[in-house]
Amino acid sequence: AQKITQTQPGMFVQEKEAVTLDCTYDTSDPSYGLFWYKQPSSGEMIFLIYQGSYDQQNATEGRYSLNFQKARKSANLVISASQLGDSAMYFCAMREGPSGSARQLTFGSGTQLTVLP
Amino acid sequence: EAGVTQFPSHSVIEKGQTVTLRCDPISGHDNLYWYRRVMGKEIKFLLHFVKESKQDESGMPNNRFLAERTGGTYSTLKVQPAELEDSGVYFCASSQQLAGGIDEQFFGPGTRLTVL
Repeated sequence: AQKITQTQPGMFVQEKEAVTLDCTYDTSDPSYGLFWYKQPSSGEMIFLIYQGSYDQQNATEGRYSLNFQKARKSANLVISASQLGDSAMYFCAMREGPSGSARQLTFGSGTQLTVLP
Repeated sequence: EAGVTQFPSHSVIEKGQTVTLRCDPISGHDNLYWYRRVMGKEIKFLLHFVKESKQDESGMPNNRFLAERTGGTYSTLKVQPAELEDSGVYFCASSQQLAGGIDEQFFGPGTRLTVL
């Protein structure tokens, strides 16, 4: 079974609008972490935001926020006030195990976001 | 502080040849990971070093792949002999060994391997 599912292969958003990128996950481990990475066309993977399974509040980092719905096993990324530079591939990933366990990440298939001027 | 670096950025080889990829993690990061993305598919884990020891190599596809991390610093991933299905982007990532931290993995730019 897929552990990380990103159902949107491609998304378009108008500049300055908000966009939500979907991510659902599947794990039986009570401790886990969820990560979002951005991969621009240059190829590097840039860490954006993290949510721990026991975190009570949704994570926020600048224009990025994570809509964490634990019961639904979803961890959607919300980008507010989109900019042209946000055009990139976005990956959702999960680490199973507690924080600091340094275990491998399992990735979704990614969502290609295009911001339109 | 320098990020994770990988060399080469691109490699084009013929089937049956050998290729060695190199990864230099962020200084002080004990954890080093190799991942790869085959065209059109998800990024998949290959293996994980803690210092010079292989912590988890469950993702290594077969014995044509050999990873080393001598001295716990840089790592190499050798593919010998290369097959067509080995084409893809190979990513290296590193993280600090923290107790209870986010253990965010910092990724290198990847090596794009093309096997003809």
